[in-house]
Amino acid sequence: DGGITQSPKYLFRKEGQNVTLSCEQNLNHDAMYWYRQDPGQGLRLIYYSQIVNDFQKGDIAEGYSVSREKKESFPLTVTSAQKNPTAFYLCASQQGANTEAFFGQGTRLTVV
Amino acid sequence: GENVEQHPSTLSVQEGDSAVIKCTYSDSASNYFPWYKQELGKRPQLIIDIRSNVGEKKDQRIAVTLNKTAKHFSLHITETQPEDSAVYFCAASGYSTLTFGKGTMLLVSP
Repeated sequence: DGGITQSPKYLFRKEGQNVTLSCEQNLNHDAMYWYRQDPGQGLRLIYYSQIVNDFQKGDIAEGYSVSREKKESFPLTVTSAQKNPTAFYLCASQQGANTEAFFGQGTRLTVV
Repeated sequence: GENVEQHPSTLSVQEGDSAVIKCTYSDSASNYFPWYKQELGKRPQLIIDIRSNVGEKKDQRIAVTLNKTAKHFSLHITETQPEDSAVYFCAASGYSTLTFGKGTMLLVSP
């Protein structure tokens, strides 16, 4: 069953701790993306990767880090430097620019 | 970079009415304009898209129009049904990333 999978669905962390969100796809897509969704803010781009071992900052990259060691995987680390990390995080993949983006089911991160 | 404005932020209609959501974009190089529907607690899913060489596209009850000169595009839903209730996002893309609008919450009352 092809698709894009995020885990976990819900994540709770204490303030000051780093946390890593998982994103895996078996669609053989080259490009992968991380978005942050806050109420009334739409989807804002954190990081994206168009090819293995390469990634670029999006509009709100501060306090986040990523890696792309495998085509199928694009994990996002929310570091303690992110001032307001509580949010809904969506991962997506595309075959290329200007094609349909397929989204994971999201991870809701709550930092207490 | 690209900037996408979306209006209205909420839209309430009666079942059977039409709904229109409008977006404007800033980058004249953008040439791909998708619309996504996100039901409560679920992932966004593509419902229709249009490219810059086309002015209008229809798929059953939904249609999208594009005016490249004015840099705006719109989503039209006819004969709305309660299951159309969701948040709708427009987006614009040139040669790399999608820029999304802030979303429109559509509420269809029976």
